Amino acid sequence: DSGVTQTPKHLITATGQRVTLRCSPRSGDLSVYWYQQSLDQGLQFLIQYYNGEERAKGNILERFSAQQFPDLHSELNLSSLELGDSALYFCASSPETLYNEQFFGPGTRLTVL
Amino acid sequence: AQKITQTQPGMFVQEKEAVTLDCTYDTSDQSYGLFWYKQPSSGEMIFLIYQGSYDEQNATEGRYSLNFQKARKSANLVISASQLGDSAMYFCAMKETSGSRLTFGEGTQLTVNP
Repeated sequence: DSGVTQTPKHLITATGQRVTLRCSPRSGDLSVYWYQQSLDQGLQFLIQYYNGEERAKGNILERFSAQQFPDLHSELNLSSLELGDSALYFCASSPETLYNEQFFGPGTRLTVL
Repeated sequence: AQKITQTQPGMFVQEKEAVTLDCTYDTSDQSYGLFWYKQPSSGEMIFLIYQGSYDEQNATEGRYSLNFQKARKSANLVISASQLGDSAMYFCAMKETSGSRLTFGEGTQLTVNP
């Protein structure tokens, strides 16, 4: 158990809908990262927050947004969902940006029908 | 831009034998870290081992060791005495020290046969 929690574990929704994925980092970790794992794109970095501020952005679509709250939990919002958004979404955390290891949560499996 | 290449989509090994999973990388940074993660069929990402670009010794963690050849830009994972529970997808990843994101390879599916 990495200490990172993600909810929900599974999510099934329809095209055009909006969903919110939630992540609670390990106690004391300030940095939260979101990754998407899909069959065609593999594992790719979406976005990073550090202590409430956006720190780095990767291949995140404009339909997707994220935020990190004062209690350090983070939410990833996916809107106008398309079939291709079906993927496993991971949250990871680390104590600080330059810390080597990132601790991954169990992931949220999103299925868009 | 950093890039990770894993050329073995699938590997098979007999139980109790050793196996090497290949990973090559490309980066223009002098300071970076290399990681291996294991992803069982249940989906979670399990950290296995880390190697810093300035580390002179190859990293080892139990049955896992990283064969780091900096000049060849390779960071192969060696699993000794394979167990049935080692059957999983294995990802090589890199993080430039100046940055924050992990860049992953495409993964290698390892199957351990009894």
